[in-house]
Amino acid sequence: SQTIHQWPATLVQPVGSPLSLECTVEGTSNPNLYWYRQAAGRGLQLLFYSVGIGQISSEVPQNLSASRPQDRQFILSSKKLLLSDSGFYLCAWQAERGGYGYTFGSGTRLTVV
Amino acid sequence: AQKVTQAQTEISVVEKEDVTLDCVYETRDTTYYLFWYKQPPSGELVFLIRRNSFDEQNEISGRYSWNFQKSTSSFNFTITASQVVDSAVYFCALVPGTASKLTFGTGTRLQVTL
Repeated sequence: SQTIHQWPATLVQPVGSPLSLECTVEGTSNPNLYWYRQAAGRGLQLLFYSVGIGQISSEVPQNLSASRPQDRQFILSSKKLLLSDSGFYLCAWQAERGGYGYTFGSGTRLTVV
Repeated sequence: AQKVTQAQTEISVVEKEDVTLDCVYETRDTTYYLFWYKQPPSGELVFLIRRNSFDEQNEISGRYSWNFQKSTSSFNFTITASQVVDSAVYFCALVPGTASKLTFGTGTRLQVTL
C-alpha cells in the first residue's frame, strides 16, 4: 500500500534562517506531488506541484522554492524565512492519472520567530 | 476554471444533532470528481469520499451521507447524530476527469459540543 511521510512534525525557526521540509512517498511510481500551506484558521493554499522529476510548477510567487530530486521525494525550501512563512505545511501525493484525489501527509507546523 | 463554494464558515451543534455541510461547485467539464476531506485538530487531512459526475446515487457510510445533485451543482454532506469526535474542518473539492489539481473550497469548521 502507499504511504506518505512528511517531517519534521513541528519546527520553530528564526527569521532569516533557511528551511528544508521533506516529503517522501512509498508504494507508488511517478506520483503527482503537491505542497500546500494553511495559515491558522484558513483554507488550503497550493504552493507547488510536480508531475515528474525536476518538474516544478509554482502557484504563488514568494521566497519559497521546491525541488523533486527523485521520483518519490519532494522538498520545500527557503533561503531566508519571513514571519509570514509561519503556517501548517502539507505535502500530498496523487496517482498520475486524472481524476484522482490526494493523500496527504501529516503536516509540518512551522513557526517563524 | 473550476470553483468550489462552502458558504458555511463555522457551524456549532450539540451532540446527537444532525448537521449538513453545504458544497456548491462550478465546472464546464462533463466528467469530474467530487471529494470530501476531514481535517481534525491534529491537522492531517483525511479522505472521506470520491464521487464521479455520472453517479448521482446518494451514498451512506455509517453516520455519514452524501447528497449529490447535478441539477443544483451541489454535493452536500450530512452527519447524523453528531459526536464530539466529528469536530473538525471539512473541505469539499473538485477535479475534472482529465486534470490533476484539485480545487478546494474554503472549508467549514464544525464544532460539536456536549
